[in-house]
Amino acid sequence: AQSVAQPEDQVNVAEGNPLTVKCTYSVSGNPYLFWYVQYPNRGLQFLLKYITGDNLVKGSYGFEAEFNKSQTSFHLKKPSALVSDSALYFCAVRDDSNYQLIWGAGTKLIIKP
Amino acid sequence: ETGVTQTPRHLVMGMTNKKSLKCEQHLGHNAMYWYKQSAKKPLELMFVYSLEERVENNSVPSRFSPECPNSSHLFLHLHTLQPEDSALYLCASSQERGGNSYEQYFGPGTRLTVT
Repeated sequence: AQSVAQPEDQVNVAEGNPLTVKCTYSVSGNPYLFWYVQYPNRGLQFLLKYITGDNLVKGSYGFEAEFNKSQTSFHLKKPSALVSDSALYFCAVRDDSNYQLIWGAGTKLIIKP
Repeated sequence: ETGVTQTPRHLVMGMTNKKSLKCEQHLGHNAMYWYKQSAKKPLELMFVYSLEERVENNSVPSRFSPECPNSSHLFLHLHTLQPEDSALYLCASSQERGGNSYEQYFGPGTRLTVT
């Protein structure tokens, strides 16, 4: 079955440190992967996607994600965290059977000053 | 977030009321979605419309009724809801190409409380 997992409910990082939010996936074909961010009382905002090409994908707000086929992972990264990065982050993978998105449960990222 | 707008932003309704949620997308997309977001649960896809035709209905109770009059507008009609239907309802749109949908763009959501 196709699925996506975000193993951490919450990640705490000090401002200025690098951050990583983890995502692993399981699909039958080539993965189409996405990261979204949700700020309090707001809808989800698209950050970046991997369809094909370079394993390192750059997105909005200085975020990037690394696609690792052997580990079936698509971790979200940022070299230097900002307090304003505190939000809920969702990973998603496209379901090959109907082309809809399968969503992870979300990871709450807290950046402390 | 001005690409996809939703009204109202907040709604409190009794179990016997009838109300409607509205979504409008200004991105020229050809697919629209309704999601339900409850605390500590993954996003639940409720309905998908592609080219104004409903293509997905993930076993949503009949007290939720979608309507897509054109490619820019999507409604969710609500009637005789239950308290467990209280949640954030999100609308999204995307551009389908050759049967593939790519990134979705979301509205700010309607926070629904059923009393």
